[in-house]
Amino acid sequence: DTGVSQNPRHKITKRGQNVTFRCDPISEHNRLYWYRQTLGQGPEFLTYFQNEAQLEKSRLLSDRFSAERPKGSFSTLEIQRTEQGDSAMYLCASSPRPLDEQYFGPGTRLTVT
Amino acid sequence: KQEVTQIPAALSVPEGENLVLNCSFTDSAIYNLQWFRQDPGKGLTSLLLIQSSQREQTSGRLNASLDKSSGRSTLYIAASQPGDSATYLCAVPLSNFGNEKLTFGTGTRLTIIP
Repeated sequence: DTGVSQNPRHKITKRGQNVTFRCDPISEHNRLYWYRQTLGQGPEFLTYFQNEAQLEKSRLLSDRFSAERPKGSFSTLEIQRTEQGDSAMYLCASSPRPLDEQYFGPGTRLTVT
Repeated sequence: KQEVTQIPAALSVPEGENLVLNCSFTDSAIYNLQWFRQDPGKGLTSLLLIQSSQREQTSGRLNASLDKSSGRSTLYIAASQPGDSATYLCAVPLSNFGNEKLTFGTGTRLTIIP
């Protein structure tokens, strides 16, 4: 069990560009969550999946954000037309079952210049 | 809407001291409570998960308590070490299935002085 992995670890992009992040959960965890964390704050929920089904999206997730989890394994989070306000740490977590312990990855730090 | 508060926002203590971190939440209908540690620029490491039916959970030098009715949890760290320096976050999901997203506090930044 290698834990939750996220790639890339750091991403610097110019405003208006599209970016995509990947999360590989712990194997056999059917729950996968995305959170966003800005400096000095706790993480905020963005969306989550049960297998390949996206069950909930936060109002924080504007139309420029999309997440997928094809085949119920890894997940991608895409941000289109990035804005400076998107600069944050994007965290992924997985869990073996509903309301169980969530295990977090190392995060992807996005900087939009 | 669930709100989670952690006080103090920062704490510095000399090495070897015992210390308590506090977490409070407004909606007592929680399913469990999870304590995390976060090192600067890193992801979250799960420390303890305490179910709503439990009052305490222990792991090594860490002990978490939960008083659901008063909306409070504490994380006790015994014999603190410089390696304990980090930000500590608590998080709760609401109790009904389908509402399992975690709501986090803003954390307590702990510094252990050698």
